[in-house]
Amino acid sequence: DQQVKQNSPSLSVQEGRISILNCDYTNSMFDYFLWYKKYPAEGPTFLISISSIKDKNEDGRFTVFLNKSAKHLSLHIVPSQPGDSAVYFCAASGRGSNYKLTFGKGTLLTVNP
Amino acid sequence: SQTIHQWPATLVQPVGSPLSLECTVEGTSNPNLYWYRQAAGRGLQLLFYSVGIGQISSEVPQNLSASRPQDRQFILSSKKLLLSDSGFYLCAWSVQPVAGQPQHFGDGTRLSIL
Repeated sequence: DQQVKQNSPSLSVQEGRISILNCDYTNSMFDYFLWYKKYPAEGPTFLISISSIKDKNEDGRFTVFLNKSAKHLSLHIVPSQPGDSAVYFCAASGRGSNYKLTFGKGTLLTVNP
Repeated sequence: SQTIHQWPATLVQPVGSPLSLECTVEGTSNPNLYWYRQAAGRGLQLLFYSVGIGQISSEVPQNLSASRPQDRQFILSSKKLLLSDSGFYLCAWSVQPVAGQPQHFGDGTRLSIL
């Protein structure tokens, strides 16, 4: 049973436009959500997180939105740059299991110059 | 600053051979440590985690084992590799459990079983 789902395996965007990466979850016990970025042959790098008590968190060009009622979160990248091309993983952690992250399968973002 | 090292970066092993992958963390003490595997086209699957020396929890039944002989050293092992053990293995660390703490990953080991 996949508790964190990234239904789009890939996304292609023009440089300068907005990239929107989506993630859905099924476990209502999740209370923190994180986004990671991964380049080929490297480990994932932490990007941004959000607590379930918030609906938005912003860090520079990256903003994460959380809709708890829909069990949905999204990562917005504005403006998109070619260096943003990577696989983006959504992850969630829950109360009582704080040291475990559940990851989605990832979305490959390609930003075209 | 904290750093995490994994080696080797790539490894090609025959079926039935043993395995030892090592991970060390610098610049922090008493971290939580994790081993993940990413199979082709799949997400990151947590294999083991450790909250202290000698304390290992296994997440999924498998052909692998983990050990933590020192505070900042985490080892992934197998006595006999299977074809299904191929994948990209990642070590990660985090501070002791606080809600929402990110995990920080090494650069991984690409393991190919022939």
